[in-house]
Formats: sequence, structure tokens, C-alpha cells
Amino acid sequence: GEDVEQSLFLSVREGDSSVINCTYTDSSSTYLYWYKQEPGAGLQLLTYIFSNMDMKQDQRLTVLLNKKDKHLSLRIADTQTGDSAIYFCAERTGGYNKLIFGAGTRLAVHP
Amino acid sequence: GAVVSQHPSWVICKSGTSVKIECRSLDFQATTMFWYRQFPKQSLMLMATSNEGSKATYEQGVEKDKFLINHASLTLSTLTVTSAHPEDSSFYICSARDLGGDRLRSPSTDTQYFGPGTRLTVL
Repeated sequence: GEDVEQSLFLSVREGDSSVINCTYTDSSSTYLYWYKQEPGAGLQLLTYIFSNMDMKQDQRLTVLLNKKDKHLSLRIADTQTGDSAIYFCAERTGGYNKLIFGAGTRLAVHP
Repeated sequence: GAVVSQHPSWVICKSGTSVKIECRSLDFQATTMFWYRQFPKQSLMLMATSNEGSKATYEQGVEKDKFLINHASLTLSTLTVTSAHPEDSSFYICSARDLGGDRLRSPSTDTQYFGPGTRLTVL
């Protein structure tokens, strides 16, 4: 079946890089997404990567995709306190615009 | 960018009453909207896919008679929780698929834009 897994918690110091990891099981996934959720709010799309790419960079964000291992990561450079939030990875299942979400990684940024 | 709103943002109701939640795409037309449910510190679980002008498609285990979905126009979908009970208390989030915008900006991303969520508490 379809399953997306993430580590639940990450703590980093302000200014350091954060790396959030995700694994998925559906090899037919076409797109993989990273969403950010702040307390009490909906989800904000941060970035996405197409399954035939292995890297995508967007300002402070770098997405790496290892399709063989079905592993996705999000690197946030120069992490700021405003980056504290829950980060969800999601895969778009093959053939449908249906998103399967991981449990979310809570990122805590401390001084 | 694409904006999705939800109303109300929070609601408290008595057990046995029905609650309607609205999801609107403000600056684009959405032929497809999605309804999710999120429990505290958990992920989003897709409840149903709402297609304009047709019946919603419910995920396995979601009671369609309890969670009524109506997608009457290209910018509005509603979720009605009927005869709500305390176990229905949750954070409900909708998303809308920007098909028209996708064709112009990113033809193949089929991005879903999420609303801010509605917190339902059933007493």
C-alpha cells in the first residue's frame, strides 16, 4: 500500500542547516511535495519535485530525491526561528491527484 | 497566488447537531476540492474528493451519510458533519486543485492549495 514516513522531531540551532527526511513506498509516485504548517493554520506548499529529478533548489530550500531508495529530503539553509513549524512530505499517487501525507516533522529552532 | 478560504475557522457545537463548513477558492476555479481531517499531532487523512457537479468520492472508512459533501460551483465546496459527536472533534482542512492556473504556470504539477482549516469541537 501507500505509506509515507518521517521522523517526528528535529531541533536545530538558529543559523544551522536543517535536514528533514522522508521515505515513501509508492514507486509510481509522480510528484513529491513539501508542505509547511504553522500552529493552528493550514498547509503552505513550500516546494515540489518531479520524480525524474534528483535535486531541486529554491532559495534556502534544497530537495533531494533518491528514487531507487524512495527517499526524499528537505534541506533548509540558515534556519531561522520563523522556520519553526511542522513539515509534511507528501507523494502524489500515480494516476490520481491524491496526496498521501507523512506524519509530519516538527522543527524547533533555538537560539 | 492561489488562495483558499474556509469558514468558519472554528466552531463549537452540541452533540447531535449538524455543522456546515465552507471551502472557497478565491481567485481561481477548482473543479476538484479535497477534504482532510487532522487529529492533534497527526498527519492529514484524506476523507473525500469533491468534484463539481458530481458526487463526492469517499475514502475507505469514511461514512458518506455522516460527512455530506456538496460541490455546487467551481469555487465552493461544503462539508456538513451531521449529528456530530465528540469523536468528530478535529481539525478539518480543505484543498482545491488549480487546474486553470496549472495550465498557465505549471502544467503538470496539479498543485493543491490548502485552506487555513476549521477546528470543530463537539461538546
